[in-house]
Amino acid sequence: QKEVEQDPGPLSVPEGAIVSLNCTYSNSAFQYFMWYRQYSRKGPELLMYTYSSGNKEDGRFTAQVDKSSKYISLFIRDSQPSDSATYLCAMSLNSGGYQKVTFGTGTKLQVIP
Amino acid sequence: NAGVTQTPKFQVLKTGQSMTLQCAQDMNHNSMYWYRQDPGMGLRLIYYSASEGTTDKGEVPNGYNVSRLNKREFSLRLESAAPSQTSVYFCASAGLTGNTIYFGEGSWLTVV
Repeated sequence: QKEVEQDPGPLSVPEGAIVSLNCTYSNSAFQYFMWYRQYSRKGPELLMYTYSSGNKEDGRFTAQVDKSSKYISLFIRDSQPSDSATYLCAMSLNSGGYQKVTFGTGTKLQVIP
Repeated sequence: NAGVTQTPKFQVLKTGQSMTLQCAQDMNHNSMYWYRQDPGMGLRLIYYSASEGTTDKGEVPNGYNVSRLNKREFSLRLESAAPSQTSVYFCASAGLTGNTIYFGEGSWLTVV
């Protein structure tokens, strides 16, 4: 079993829809939770990070962490065609002085105009 | 705002050839990483350097070597390229708090 599980999609939604992207994890030692957006043929770009259970909002994006269920989500409100990308969840913990980061395999999102 | 810069962006190698991927960061980060990304496999850690002067193996180190030249630069070397090393390679860095990791734009490598 992988430490981080993420549905690969693809997920196709109409413009303006609310998108929900999810990951589950098995290692309760993870401290930080991140979401990255990756456009085709580009490097992953950090969208949001959080280190506690609860919600964190940034514009149209909301990151949610439920440590008791080992479940994290990213919600995108009023989705736009420019949101079409692959979204990677990532989790990290301090391991011997460096941050060990584990990534999900990514969910490909397409927002249709 | 350079961030993490890696070169070259594209490279085609013949089996058995060697090459070095270069990476530099200008964020004064302590930790640097090399990942490869393959379809359906996600990002897999090849090697990392927790600080200047140290390097350690990640999940898939076979066939690769690294050098942490100084705090800014971390290179990845393929000594004898194999078709299985055809992939997209990403360099990344993270600061002391390490709660976020920043990526370069990627290097597309094809081994024929």
